[in-house]
Parts: sequence; structure tokens; C-alpha cells
Amino acid sequence: KAGVTQTPRYLIKTRGQQVTLSCSPISGHRSVSWYQQTPGQGLQFLFEYFSETQRNKGNFPGRFSGRQFSNSRSEMNVSTLELGDSALYLCASSLTGAANTEAFFGQGTRLTVV
Amino acid sequence: LAKTTQPISMDSYEGQEVNITCSHNNIATNDYITWYQQFPSQGPRFIIQGYKTKVTNEVASLFIPADRKSSTLSLPRVSLSDTAVYYCLVAPINSYKLIFGSGTRLLVRP
Repeated sequence: KAGVTQTPRYLIKTRGQQVTLSCSPISGHRSVSWYQQTPGQGLQFLFEYFSETQRNKGNFPGRFSGRQFSNSRSEMNVSTLELGDSALYLCASSLTGAANTEAFFGQGTRLTVV
Repeated sequence: LAKTTQPISMDSYEGQEVNITCSHNNIATNDYITWYQQFPSQGPRFIIQGYKTKVTNEVASLFIPADRKSSTLSLPRVSLSDTAVYYCLVAPINSYKLIFGSGTRLLVRP
């Protein structure tokens, strides 16, 4: 079966712009989570959605937002981009999102802010 | 959420067994222990998960002592392709987020 698909794979944006990243989960998975990975901070949890509802949110500013559609596809948006937002953004899907279920990660979107 | 501590890096040689130990002293009763593997510029990949005692799958074994304050990921006969970062995660069943620590960078040499 198809894995988690993230688009685009690479993105270059200018400071102050906004960006939207997309994630298509594995068919049947209703939980989608987003993570930011940087060399300095490692992998950090952004937020999690289940059936179009945000259930959990990490410690990121309000510039980072997300949503989930009825088909479980998810998008995350970053407004007013800063240089420090340059990172690998990873999406993970799972059946329920609970800690005892396997999370499947996509290849990520590499965002560079210049 | 329980804090985890694992070695920053480990070296091994092809064909050897590698054991990576993770300490989680304040693990709670409803916490599960999960290990992920990550290659550069890729998303993490689930390796194994357990609650207590021993769990084995086709790629690894997970040993959890009775007090559950630590866990050991065992990789039998590693190959060069096992060079990666390995993360130990501890989270309650109703936690809808994964908290990654710094991980252990495993280098497998020929």
C-alpha cells in the first residue's frame, strides 16, 4: 500500500512569505501529526489531528497552523516566515494516533527560508 | 512525559550484535516504549515497541526489565545499512504526540 506522501519535497521561500505544506496519510489512517526537524533542536512535535480535530499542539508560535480535511489529508501553514523556520518538516500518520500504534513518516519537505 | 536518556553515539562492526540502552527512570504505569530509526533526510521508521519483558520482531529485540526504568534495543548482526540514528520514546497510550530526544547515532564499520 502507498506510504505517507508529502508535497512538495523541497521549497525555497523568502523571509516574510507564507508557505503551505501538504501531507497525504496512508489510506485508512485518521491521525496525522507534524514535526519539525532542525540540526539544533532535533525532532519537535508541532501538532496532531484526528478526524479534522486538533488534539494536541506543541510549543510553536501561532504562525504555525494546520488543518485536516475529511479525507484525512492534512496541510500545515507557516506565515511570516523567518530564517529559523528552515527545517525538514515531517508528517506522520497512524490509525489512531495513540502511543501504542505505529506511526508512519513521510519523506518530509525540506524548507529553506532565505 | 517520561524523560529518556540514551548514549549520544555508538560504534560497531558489521556482523556484531548491537545493544542500545535507554534510561527512563520516571516511566509511568501506562507508558509504552517505542524505538524508531532514522536515516539522513528521511522520516523516522518504527522499529519495535513494548510494554514489559521482551519483544522480538524480524529486525530487532526489545528487552524491558521488571521495573521498566530502562530498555535495551538489540540489533542482531548489524550491517553497514544499519548506520542511522536510533530514538527511544516513552509515552502514555493516550498521548497523541511523539517526543524525540537526541537519539543514538550508530556507526557500523566494515
